[in-house]
Amino acid sequence: EAGVTQSPTHLIKTRGQQVTLRCSPISGHTSVYWYQQALGLGLQFLLWYDEGEERNRGNFPPRFSGRQFPNYSSELNVNALELEDSALYLCASSSGQGSEKLFFGSGTQLSVL
Amino acid sequence: GESVGLHLPTLSVQEGDNSIINCAYSNSASDYFIWYKQESGKGPQFIIDIRSNMDKRQGQRVTVLLNKTVKHLSLQIAATQPGDSAVYFCAENVGNSGYALNFGKGTSLLVTP
Repeated sequence: EAGVTQSPTHLIKTRGQQVTLRCSPISGHTSVYWYQQALGLGLQFLLWYDEGEERNRGNFPPRFSGRQFPNYSSELNVNALELEDSALYLCASSSGQGSEKLFFGSGTQLSVL
Repeated sequence: GESVGLHLPTLSVQEGDNSIINCAYSNSASDYFIWYKQESGKGPQFIIDIRSNMDKRQGQRVTVLLNKTVKHLSLQIAATQPGDSAVYFCAENVGNSGYALNFGKGTSLLVTP
């Protein structure tokens, strides 16, 4: 069974640009989570989607947004990129049935120049 | 805000020895704790979890201990192997946070032959 898949694996952008990251959860999982892992820092919670709805949001500006599609895949959009947005963006999924156990993808490494 | 933290940023152990990775948390409302292992270039991988109504849980070569009195969590790895070298994160879930795990900064475990 396939795990959580993310694309692309690496991305280089310049300041002010916009980026879209994609995530496919484990089959049967309805919840998708996005985390940012900046160098030297832990994982910072960005967004949680469940059944197509945004359920919770971390302490990030509005230029970080996303959505979840009917097939439970998800996109993370970041507008007006800043240098400090350079990080590994991790997607995780869970069964959404009261399970807090998250299964992570390998992430998208975003570099903003 | 309250946060999860780790006592030691790096830990070096010899192959075959036991490893203990510590984690402090400050939110007394946390009711679920989880340990992840992250190898270079990969997403975090689930190791073991524990709920607040337990003080110990064992897995294969790993044991998690929870001391709610002092808000302390530890991960014990028996007979540490070179493949255990990775960054280890503890994470907590606060019941009203919508299953958004709050991660610590991580401890790097290096296993030497």
